[in-house]
This record gives sequence, structure tokens and C-alpha cells, in this order.
Amino acid sequence: GAVVSQHPSWVICKSGTSVKIECRSLDFQATTMFWYRQFPKQSLMLMATSNEGSKATYEQGVEKDKFLINHASLTLSTLTVTSAHPEDSSFYICSATPEERSYNSPLHFGNGTRLTVT
Amino acid sequence: GQNIDQPTEMTATEGAIVQINCTYQTSGFNGLFWYQQHAGEAPTFLSYNVLDGLEEKGRFSSFLSRSKGYSYLLLKELQMKDSASYLCPTMNRDDKIIFGKGTRLHILP
Repeated sequence: GAVVSQHPSWVICKSGTSVKIECRSLDFQATTMFWYRQFPKQSLMLMATSNEGSKATYEQGVEKDKFLINHASLTLSTLTVTSAHPEDSSFYICSATPEERSYNSPLHFGNGTRLTVT
Repeated sequence: GQNIDQPTEMTATEGAIVQINCTYQTSGFNGLFWYQQHAGEAPTFLSYNVLDGLEEKGRFSSFLSRSKGYSYLLLKELQMKDSASYLCPTMNRDDKIIFGKGTRLHILP
């Protein structure tokens, strides 16, 4: 079945530094990937839609200069949290949909990245 | 736009049946999913409904009524491992999938 790999699984960084999270589709091509953020006991909040070869589309209230998204190939999207602050500490999850849609599981999630900013 | 409404929490007993309801308002509706999520983990796919009716898959069944903007997830023969959050995101024709706050299900022995 389709697999999405997300790396790293967890990361601790100091305030003011930047962190890059990778999302790879291992056995399918994904022209579109999605980035979500989830705070404890909250729902997944869509941050942005990552489009291969073009600029990402950000949801209202998400700072595009702070959360840089690059989707340089059909199998890789990266999210960079720039100048991280403690309030950015959260669970970040990516998802991807194969071009050839399977309605048995149309949205495949990575395992998420737990970011802690100290 | 897209809006999802589910009960915040539910409690049920091991071995029993529970129904989790979900109502939605989605422009350009193109399907509703049910996902299970354990704390600190990524969501796990349970079902996808795009047409009206009931889809049965083992202990889990999902129902959709597009005219009512309503879906439910039915869990039978509850097990302790079913304690989790259950999410019913919808997808629009732009493939955008929006999640509600989910329902935290507690299973009592």
C-alpha cells in the first residue's frame, strides 16, 4: 500500500533556530501534499497545500514567511519552521494523495513530527 | 467553506455498540472520511463515503446522507483498544480536506 515517510519523528531545537521537516511519498507520485499542525487535544489544522513545481497555498492565519514549504519533486515536500519559538511546539503531520486515486485510502499520512522548541 | 461538527467526548462499555455522529457543511462536497487517531500518532484510515448509504467493514460501519449533511460511524463489539479520537474530515472538489475537532471515545471495562 501507499506509504508516506516523514522525518524526523521528533526534534528539539532552541528558540530562534530553524527546523526542516521532510515528507516523502515512497511508492507513488504526489503532485499535492498537505501540511497539518496539531496541538494537544486539538484537531488537525490544515496549514498549507504544497504543490509540486509551484508556490504553496497557505490557509488563513498561517505565516508563509515563517513556515516555508518547498515541493521540488513529485515525491518530496519540505516544511521549514524558521526562527522557531516555544509557541511553535506542536505535532506536524504531512499527507499526500496519489495521482491515481484509491478510495480505499485516498489520503495517506506520514507518522508526524513532534517539535519542541526550548 | 467547510465546517465539521462532532460531539467532543463519548463513553461506552467494552463489548457494546457506539454510534459517533458527524454533521458537516462543505461547499463542493466530494466525500467524507472517518479516521481513528491515538494520542501522539498519525490518523489511521477507517472509511470513505461519497454516496448515500451504509458501508460496512468488519466491526466498523459508516453511513452518509448528503442531503442532510450527516454521517455516523458505528463501532460494534467495542474493545479497549478502540479508545481513541475519531475524526470525520470532508473533502471538497479542490481535494482540500478539513478536519473537525474529533470525538474522544473512552471505553470502560
